[in-house]
Parts: sequence; structure tokens; C-alpha cells
Amino acid sequence: AAGVIQSPRHLIKEKRETATLKCYPIPRHDTVYWYQQGPGQDPQFLISFYEKMQSDKGSIPDRFSAQQFSDYHSELNMSSLELGDSALYFCASSLQGMGGNTIYFGEGSWLTVV
Amino acid sequence: EDQVTQSPEALRLQEGESSSLNCSYTVSGLRGLFWYRQDPGKGPEFLFTLYSAGEEKEKERLKATLTKKESFLHITAPKPEDSATYLCAVQGRGGSSNTGKLIFGQGTTLQVKP
Repeated sequence: AAGVIQSPRHLIKEKRETATLKCYPIPRHDTVYWYQQGPGQDPQFLISFYEKMQSDKGSIPDRFSAQQFSDYHSELNMSSLELGDSALYFCASSLQGMGGNTIYFGEGSWLTVV
Repeated sequence: EDQVTQSPEALRLQEGESSSLNCSYTVSGLRGLFWYRQDPGKGPEFLFTLYSAGEEKEKERLKATLTKKESFLHITAPKPEDSATYLCAVQGRGGSSNTGKLIFGQGTTLQVKP
């Protein structure tokens, strides 16, 4: 079965540079989520999109922005990178239902800021 | 505010030694409680969703149960390949968003020795 696809898998950037992460959700899923996971920490919710509209916002820095495109893929744009932005960034997707909706995660994109 | 606490933080078992992981939660209206397995550097792998108190689900050596305040992940006769971090997350009904972001606990790192 198709899973959530993220690219790139690894990314090294210098301080103050910009980075863009891409996410392709599971086909027919209508919701995309972005999470950040620092070393030894649990995933922290950044932002989500439902049917291409921003639906919820978590602890996403103002330097970061995201959007979902007409083909449902999503991009997380990070500017003025700081050392503390080094983390594993996950994209996840789900299909909204009447009850809870299972959220499936991609393999993540490792961002290292040097 | 939705909150999840997992215990213990780390657990070391001998192969075949059964045990349980705990997940205590507070949430403003539970849509679902999720268990994920995460291997180092990988994305969380979906295991179970539980929706209401009294519900139980099983998969191979794992069994998840749910009460109104906590969930348990029981591991029966574990094998070394069960070594991983197990994450518990809740999906609430609160807030203006209905897209169900997950709030994670810190995880329990399980090590099973042969």
C-alpha cells in the first residue's frame, strides 16, 4: 500500500539559510500534518491542512510557513534557519471520518543546521 | 489542555518476559487514542487506535486496552525485534479545528534482550 512520501530524507543547511521539505500524502487522504521531533523528544505538532486550507496551527515558528497544493502535496518552508531547528520533520496524512481518523506518518526528513 | 504521560520512560526485558506500558491522558473529549512504534531515525508506525473505554485490540504479541483515564500496551513474550520506542498519542475534540492533531507522550523505550 502507498505510504506518505517525504523528500529529501536528509538535508544539511547553514545558519540563516532556507530549506524546503516536501510531502506527498497517501492517495485520497484529505488532511496533512507536519510534526517536528528533536533528539530524544516526542513529535511536536506544527501545522495541518484540510482540503488545501490551513486547519490548525501548533508550535510553528514565524520563520516557518507551509502550504498544500492542488495535487494535495504539501511543502514546509523554513527560513533564517537556526541551530535549534535541527530535527527530524515528519509529514503525516489522514482521511477525515465521523470518529477518530488514523494518522499515518512518513519516514521523516532529517534537517541538520550547521 | 490535552496531556499525555507515559511510563516507564525506559524498560528492559528479557526475551519472553511479559510486561505492560502505561499511558495516562487528559483530553477535552477523546476522539481516539493511538499507539505507535518508532525505530531510531524512522517515522512512527501505526499500531492501534482505541476509541472508547473498555475497548481492546490485539496484534501479534501486543494488546492495547483503554479506560477513561489511561491505556495499557501489554507485550506478551517479547522478542528482541520488539525493541523500539512506543508512543502513545491522543486525538481530542477540543478547539476550533476538527482535523484531529495528535498530542504525544514522551514514549517508552523498550529493550528486549535475548
